[in-house]
Amino acid sequence: NAGVTQTPKFQVLKTGQSMTLQCAQDMNHNSMYWYRQDPGMGLRLIYYSASEGTTDKGEVPNGYNVSRLNKREFSLRLESAAPSQTSVYFCASRLGAGGHGELFFGEGSRLTVL
Amino acid sequence: GENVEQHPSTLSVQEGDSAVIKCTYSDSASNYFPWYKQELGKGPQLIIDIRSNVGEKKDQRIAVTLNKTAKHFSLHITETQPEDSAVYFCAAIPSGNTPLVFGKGTRLSVIA
Repeated sequence: NAGVTQTPKFQVLKTGQSMTLQCAQDMNHNSMYWYRQDPGMGLRLIYYSASEGTTDKGEVPNGYNVSRLNKREFSLRLESAAPSQTSVYFCASRLGAGGHGELFFGEGSRLTVL
Repeated sequence: GENVEQHPSTLSVQEGDSAVIKCTYSDSASNYFPWYKQELGKGPQLIIDIRSNVGEKKDQRIAVTLNKTAKHFSLHITETQPEDSAVYFCAAIPSGNTPLVFGKGTRLSVIA
């Protein structure tokens, strides 16, 4: 049972380049989330999808787009990367559509924007 | 919206001592308070949670207490071991379908 799988694990981009972070879960979870983690800032929510076919903005959505491709997959796209988007990105999923219950996290994608 | 403050940001304890991490929240409607542990190079993992109708919950060496009146909750780790060294996050969620709001984390170091 793989849980939550993120790809790639590491990526270096130049300013202005675009890329997509992929996330897939095999637990039949309804809700999925993208967080970024920066030193001293904790985990900040970028976007989430409470159920297949819906997406909503979190605390720091600017510069990102998301797609809930199907129930398993939730991708995060940077259209024009900026140095301020250098961070570690975590995808997470939860069984319920509501907020309670355990969040299961992937192992993270470390992105550096030069 | 909900705001979660976490203290301290770093904590060093001797092996075998206790560690306490404290969090406060702003939304009196919040009713679910989980704690996550993040080991180096890994994603966070749930270690314990508490709901607003309970004042304390224990699981072996870890416990969480909740004071709804003061709007704060704490994580207690007793008999600390080197493997307890990690970053710990508290979180809170108001009622409804809104996502978790995390504190900024506490880096716990257990010194052997």
